[in-house]
Amino acid sequence: EPEVTQTPSHQVTQMGQEVILRCVPISNHLYFYWYRQILGQKVEFLVSFYNNEISEKSEIFDDQFSVERPDGSNFTLKIRSTKLEDSAMYFCASSESENTGELFFGEGSRLTVL
Amino acid sequence: DQQVKQNSPSLSVQEGRISILNCDYTNSMFDYFLWYKKYPAEGPTFLISISSIKDKNEDGRFTVFLNKSAKHLSLHIVPSQPGDSAVYFCAARGCCPKTSYDKVIFGPGTSLSVIP
Repeated sequence: EPEVTQTPSHQVTQMGQEVILRCVPISNHLYFYWYRQILGQKVEFLVSFYNNEISEKSEIFDDQFSVERPDGSNFTLKIRSTKLEDSAMYFCASSESENTGELFFGEGSRLTVL
Repeated sequence: DQQVKQNSPSLSVQEGRISILNCDYTNSMFDYFLWYKKYPAEGPTFLISISSIKDKNEDGRFTVFLNKSAKHLSLHIVPSQPGDSAVYFCAARGCCPKTSYDKVIFGPGTSLSVIP
């Protein structure tokens, strides 16, 4: 069964460092998303991406964050200068259609900022 | 600003009985609702959905009910099994100030424990 894969599964970084989280969405999907879940809190929307551009972003997704799909398969989330409060589980998701909310999620990348 | 609310953080049910997970939403622009299930250290897994034009959708042991006038939906699991123990997230899409299909908003989740 096709699945969304994410790497790394866990990354530990120092505050102020840049981090890139990678995702390979399901191959025929056209819509891509990043969500995050801070420990003990709810799953929060960060950004959606379609047709090689951001279609919507939340207030969390400030100038420190960026996304791109450099090679048509990988979908990356970059945090330029990490802060302690960026520590969270980051989930990538993809969907085939804009008409449903059936997102397929990866297993997540745990980011720990020290 | 909690647009999707799940007021019960946890629920315990005996195996074989019915589990009822509740969800309330505040935004009348939502038009599609979903339930996701999440095990520890895994991503959320889609379970079942319902469009706002319906009031019920059933898939095996899982049934979702939607009451648009009350802005309330519920997920029924019957019979409950120990493997159903997980965190269940209610989610909705479409959002003010415009209807947006790009954003699915999650509730805080309800942790279900099914006791053997």
